[in-house]
Amino acid sequence: SQTIHQWPATLVQPVGSPLSLECTVEGTSNPNLYWYRQAAGRGLQLLFYSVGIGQISSEVPQNLSASRPQDRQFILSSKKLLLSDSGFYLCAWSVLAVSYNEQFFGPGTRLTVL
Amino acid sequence: AQSVAQPEDQVNVAEGNPLTVKCTYSVSGNPYLFWYVQYPNRGLQFLLKYITGDNLVKGSYGFEAEFNKSQTSFHLKKPSALVSDSALYFCAVRDMDSSYKLIFGSGTRLLVRP
Repeated sequence: SQTIHQWPATLVQPVGSPLSLECTVEGTSNPNLYWYRQAAGRGLQLLFYSVGIGQISSEVPQNLSASRPQDRQFILSSKKLLLSDSGFYLCAWSVLAVSYNEQFFGPGTRLTVL
Repeated sequence: AQSVAQPEDQVNVAEGNPLTVKCTYSVSGNPYLFWYVQYPNRGLQFLLKYITGDNLVKGSYGFEAEFNKSQTSFHLKKPSALVSDSALYFCAVRDMDSSYKLIFGSGTRLLVRP
């Protein structure tokens, strides 16, 4: 069966520090991968999605970036964190080329920027 | 513009009573609709989806949803609520402009009191 991992689970970082969040998927090949941010325990904001290695689409211009160095690995990065980057970051995957398939979410990373 | 609306921020129901969480959508063409549940500090869990066919869709944990094309609604229902159903519920629709993306509603918090 497929599983999705995110780490770290929680992170507290000072303003201006770098960020690297990692997401990996097991049990499937060529997935679509997504990064979402959830603020204040409510709405989801799609940040990035990827349909293949090295293919990244950005949804919201900001100081975050994403990379997909391997088929089942998705990384969210920042060179300098802002206070507004605090939130709950969720990675998700879906089956490539099947447009009606649901997305499956990881456990999330709680980021607090101080 | 495509959108999903969850008109209620919170729904309160007594344990054992039926529950309904409302969702309406606005997309062109035939919608693909989804419901997710999120427990505190966890990722989203897929509950059910409507692609085509029977308007009543059954999903996980005893939940079901009714697709109503004329009212552009996809309300989530359960005949008898449990305290453990208390969580945040999200409705989503496939983005017709980019088939790999979902458009999420703002979420509805369900509180089931004993």
